[in-house]
Amino acid sequence: GAGVSQSPSNKVTEKGKDVELRCDPISGHTALYWYRQSLGQGLEFLIYFQGNSAPDKSGLPSDRFSAERTGGSVSTLTIQRTQQEDSAVYLCASSLVRDSLGGGYTFGSGTRLTVV
Amino acid sequence: SQQGEEDPQALSIQEGENATMNCSYKTSINNLQWYRQNSGRGLVHLILIRSNEREKHSGRLRVTLDTSKKSSSLLITASRAADTASYFCAMSSGSARQLTFGSGTQLTVLP
Repeated sequence: GAGVSQSPSNKVTEKGKDVELRCDPISGHTALYWYRQSLGQGLEFLIYFQGNSAPDKSGLPSDRFSAERTGGSVSTLTIQRTQQEDSAVYLCASSLVRDSLGGGYTFGSGTRLTVV
Repeated sequence: SQQGEEDPQALSIQEGENATMNCSYKTSINNLQWYRQNSGRGLVHLILIRSNEREKHSGRLRVTLDTSKKSSSLLITASRAADTASYFCAMSSGSARQLTFGSGTQLTVLP
């Protein structure tokens, strides 16, 4: 597609439920990143996928968070047993180059997650 | 970790004035990038400056990088109300694949 697409744009869920957030990167972009941003804060790195390599999961805050990327394209971020502190905007980005050395990221519009 | 600090946290200026935002970081970088964010949603890449560059221009944007002071500045000249947004610096360091983002500056341009 023309840009990075994320769905849903907004999600309200009850505490304890599982949620799945989807990211469809720009076609041909081999690198895909998930970040989250709490209200008024900067971006917190969660996970990075590059081609068929093992993902860098070093930013995932707990084992309730997981992500996969199927076929080197679409990615799904899953949060199990959601907690109120998981409320944030979850941003996905993709890039053409192998890593961040060569250029910038293209971000999606994000999913605003609210846990009530 | 390589966390960027931005200064000021918030900046309010009149349309037509110049806006300067600063970013400081802790360890050596490969490149530094600036992004803009409207309404807490997706970020838009503005400009990238490499560690061996000192200044870069793009339209009304001017970025400087001082690796000896581990700092960068973003200057927006002749600001417009439409420039109102949050601006983030982001650093690429070492072999890390992901960018580390600063805390952001909220710029308000008053008409």
